[in-house]
Amino acid sequence: EDKVVQSPLSLVVHEGDTVTLNCSYEVTNFRSLLWYKQEKKAPTFLFMLTSSGIEKKSGRLSSILDKKELFSILNITATQTGDSAVYLCAVEKRGYQKVTFGIGTKLQVIP
Amino acid sequence: DTGVSQDPRHKITKRGQNVTFRCDPISEHNRLYWYRQTLGQGPEFLTYFQNEAQLEKSRLLSDRFSAERPKGSFSTLEIQRTEQGDSAMYLCASSRTGDGGYTFGSGTRLTVV
Repeated sequence: EDKVVQSPLSLVVHEGDTVTLNCSYEVTNFRSLLWYKQEKKAPTFLFMLTSSGIEKKSGRLSSILDKKELFSILNITATQTGDSAVYLCAVEKRGYQKVTFGIGTKLQVIP
Repeated sequence: DTGVSQDPRHKITKRGQNVTFRCDPISEHNRLYWYRQTLGQGPEFLTYFQNEAQLEKSRLLSDRFSAERPKGSFSTLEIQRTEQGDSAMYLCASSRTGDGGYTFGSGTRLTVV
């Protein structure tokens, strides 16, 4: 069965800190890994990663995938209180539309 | 609002009643997905439509659940004879073929009492 494991489950940091969120996966016929940010409502799309070693960047957020070791990290630099959310990692398989999500990492950024 | 719309936002129902939720995807998106999310968990896949065709269904989707997407536009998810275990957030998402990632709606929170 496909698995996505995220760590840590929760994290509390001060504004300005840098955080690294981890995602490991086991899936057959891997196609892509996705990161989402979920505040109180719907998850919002952050990144899609398909190739190893290529960093995707958006402002203070960046992410990279290692297909050999089957993991990805999401980095957030200079954290702000608005970064407080649950960050979800998910994987897509070739030939299927189903996406398997992890439980998420709950990040709290305190002033 | 040109995002994914879901209606209602909240639904409280008594056990044994039927409920129906609606999702209006982004208009140019041909793919539509239903997910269910319970507290402290990630979203779980329920079903997928490409245009009007339902192409994937999870084993989670018991025979009490049915989804439709007539004419390939909006979709409905019906739960018959609701049980307390059906209490969850039901999320709809849409995408276009070739796009990376989905756009999710704000969800319908179902509480079965």
